Amino acid sequence: AQSVTQLGSHVSVSEGALVLLRCNYSSSVPPYLFWYVQYPNQGLQLLLKYTSAATLVKGINDFEAEFKKSETSFHLTKPSAHMSDAAEYFCAVSDLKQGGKLIFGQGTELSVKP
Amino acid sequence: DAGVIQSPRHEVTEMGQEVTLRCKPISGHNSLFWYRQTMMRGLELLIYFNNNVPIDDSGMPEDRFSAKMPNASFSTLKIQPSEPRDSAVYFCASSPDTTSSYNEQFFGPGTRLTVL
Repeated sequence: AQSVTQLGSHVSVSEGALVLLRCNYSSSVPPYLFWYVQYPNQGLQLLLKYTSAATLVKGINDFEAEFKKSETSFHLTKPSAHMSDAAEYFCAVSDLKQGGKLIFGQGTELSVKP
Repeated sequence: DAGVIQSPRHEVTEMGQEVTLRCKPISGHNSLFWYRQTMMRGLELLIYFNNNVPIDDSGMPEDRFSAKMPNASFSTLKIQPSEPRDSAVYFCASSPDTTSSYNEQFFGPGTRLTVL
């Protein structure tokens, strides 16, 4: 069965610092991977997705993620944090065996200090 | 497009009352998902539909929960009778086609349910 693990339920960075949110997946077939962001009192929005076209995926708001099969990882990064990046971030995996359902990680709350 | 529309945005009710949450998916999407989000359990998939047909309801917690999708543009999630532990934010999401696993899901703004 597919699963996703996000390391660290809370991450705090200073404004301008590198953002690194970790995601590891488990999948018996080539996975499709997603990062979503949830701002306070809102629904989830797609940041980026990996569908096997390129291992380095660029998303909105300068976020990017790199698919590393050898490490079964799909970590999310942003070179320079902005106050507006404070939100909860979810990694998710999908595959055909589960009819396209998304399996979400537990979420990582990102705080940005001025 | 207006995106996924959910109503009401907030619902406060008393234990034992019936609660109906509504969702209008994005036009042209043929897959619809209902999720529940709580601090304790995170984001849980309750049920999803493909072409108006329920495909997997294994996440529905109890018989008190039921969901319908009478047509491609409308779905309801009903809780009867409601209990305080049902308090959560309920999200509806739609997707163009779950047979294509690379299709992302588009989420509505959620309904915050409080059962007193």
